[in-house]
Amino acid sequence: GAVVSQHPSRVICKSGTSVKIECRSLDFQATTMFWYRQFPKQSLMLMATSNEGSKATYEQGVEKDKFLINHASLTLSTLTVTSAHPEDSSFYICSASPGGLDEKLFFGSGTQLSVL
Amino acid sequence: QKEVEQDPGPLSVPEGAIVSLNCTYSNSAFQYFMWYRQYSRKGPELLMYTYSSGNKEDGRFTAQVDKSSKYISLFIRDSQPSDSATYLCAMSKSGGYQKVTFGTGTKLQVIP
Repeated sequence: GAVVSQHPSRVICKSGTSVKIECRSLDFQATTMFWYRQFPKQSLMLMATSNEGSKATYEQGVEKDKFLINHASLTLSTLTVTSAHPEDSSFYICSASPGGLDEKLFFGSGTQLSVL
Repeated sequence: QKEVEQDPGPLSVPEGAIVSLNCTYSNSAFQYFMWYRQYSRKGPELLMYTYSSGNKEDGRFTAQVDKSSKYISLFIRDSQPSDSATYLCAMSKSGGYQKVTFGTGTKLQVIP
């Protein structure tokens, strides 16, 4: 299957700092990538849809100024958590699809963010 | 009412047992149905992908979709301790470029 790489896998930061998470499609091009958030024992919650070359589409209730998404190329999308607070601590996961006839969704390995 | 309902478990079974995991959904527009396996603090791994109703088999895994009942199932035969994980059902109205709605996941433990 297609490979989606996500880095870092774990990050600990101080409150008020910004953290950048990278999501790369290694063996395919992805015009669209998705960012999710997952709390313990809960399902994946879609935060935003990242579109190459255009603005991301955010789900209702997600602060676009806090969660900055940049999809600068067909293989890379980044999520920046700005001015992080302890309540932003969560597991963040990205996904992408090769598209076309093989419209399956593949996920990165996730990033555990802990804000102190 | 959630669009996708899934029993969170946990479900404990002895090694070698047949495992049945299920989800129900309310939106009849869903056409693509998926099962993902997620180990703790890892991204979900696609196990099965089906379109519309019917059965699909892949090794020890069988996925069933009954659109008339809005019910999907994943069967695992000859379960192994390495199958211990959380299993997420997911579905979408279209393919990978569209939003995917996930169930809450069922935690499975296969006891040696």
